[in-house]
Amino acid sequence: EAQVTQNPRYLITVTGKKLTVTCSQNMNHEYMSWYRQDPGLGLRQIYYSMNVEVTDKGDVPEGYKVSRKEKRNFPLILESPSPNQTSLYFCASSFGGVFNEQFFGPGTRLTVL
Amino acid sequence: AQRVTQPEKLLSVFKGAPVELKCNYSYSGSPELFWYVQYSRQRLQLLLRHISRESIKGFTADLNKGETSFHLKKPFAQEEDSAMYYCALSGRGGDDKIIFGKGTRLHILP
Repeated sequence: EAQVTQNPRYLITVTGKKLTVTCSQNMNHEYMSWYRQDPGLGLRQIYYSMNVEVTDKGDVPEGYKVSRKEKRNFPLILESPSPNQTSLYFCASSFGGVFNEQFFGPGTRLTVL
Repeated sequence: AQRVTQPEKLLSVFKGAPVELKCNYSYSGSPELFWYVQYSRQRLQLLLRHISRESIKGFTADLNKGETSFHLKKPFAQEEDSAMYYCALSGRGGDDKIIFGKGTRLHILP
């Protein structure tokens, strides 16, 4: 089944403890992206990647890192999480670029205490 | 700067009545507009995009460059239309960023 998967789906952690949220897609999509969803703020793009080894900042990249070593994977790294990064995170992928339909993952609910 | 405004947080409409979800944008270049929808317990998914000029599930959206709007319309609301709707914008010929609005929750009343 063609899909985007994220792990973990739920995570509670403490301030400063490094964590990684994985994202994987099996559709051979070039474009991958991370978003955070917060009440009243909608979806905001964190980082995106047009292809392997090509990443760029979205609107809210501060406090996050990404890497794109393989086409199918696009992990989101929080080196030193803080409570203001408590949010619902979505990964998405699309064929070709942002103008094509993005397929979203199920979301990862992160709580930073 | 790119900006997408959805002025209504919540819109309640009776079943069978027309629906209009408003979206206004600010962009200096040539925009590409989208509507994404999130039904309860389902993933966010594309509903329609300007470039395709299609009608999905009875919804249509027209890009009005004069008013910088991309309102989503449906002539007769159905209960299964209840969902969260996001308008989004990306710029042609620019980077591959996308900006989402804050979303409008559509509630169809029986």
